[in-house]
Amino acid sequence: TQLLEQSPQFLSIQEGENLTVYCNSSSVFSSLQWYRQEPGEGPVLLVTVVTGGEVKKLKRLTFQFGDARKDSSLHITAAQPGDTGLYLCAGDKGRRALTFGSGTRLQVQP
Amino acid sequence: DVKVTQSSRYLVKRTGEKVFLECVQDMDHENMFWYRQDPGLGLRLIYFSYDVKMKEKGDIPEGYSVSREKKERFSLILESASTNQTSMYLCASSLSSGRVNTEAFFGQGTRLTVV
Repeated sequence: TQLLEQSPQFLSIQEGENLTVYCNSSSVFSSLQWYRQEPGEGPVLLVTVVTGGEVKKLKRLTFQFGDARKDSSLHITAAQPGDTGLYLCAGDKGRRALTFGSGTRLQVQP
Repeated sequence: DVKVTQSSRYLVKRTGEKVFLECVQDMDHENMFWYRQDPGLGLRLIYFSYDVKMKEKGDIPEGYSVSREKKERFSLILESASTNQTSMYLCASSLSSGRVNTEAFFGQGTRLTVV
């Protein structure tokens, strides 16, 4: 059983479209991180959210942590081919290792 | 520039072989991790270590063991490789900050095929 469920699992969109990826859990996390992984590479950190309700922006990417700290979302405005990759959320449950979600594979067509 | 290096990008091993996957980090991080990545399952934690000679089981430790004799090196051992251990293996490291997880830095991964 996956502790962190991401949806959708796959997303193929045209350049310029907007999209939202969701990361849900029944557990409370003390913080949540989002990573992006490109083919042949390891995941790279995009952002960490810590406070319930927190919103962080990274250029065209907007990250939100749910009020109850059980879920998070990633919204991309005007997607570009360079946004293509696997997006992973990862939660901190207070142990020394992160728990990762199932991943959302995004393909942005030019 | 921070770096986590995994010894092999691709490995092909036979069923029953003992397999060693090596990982080295140059950032003086206390924490090191081994994950396996399978389509639709994200990253699943196999083992982690928060200090030299210290290790803790992750979520899927069966069939694996680890060794951390030096701070910069963390090895994953498949005692007797099986076909269901065919996967992408990712090593990561991070700074220790009490019980809070800091940014994890990943290697490029080792794609292991067991035939």
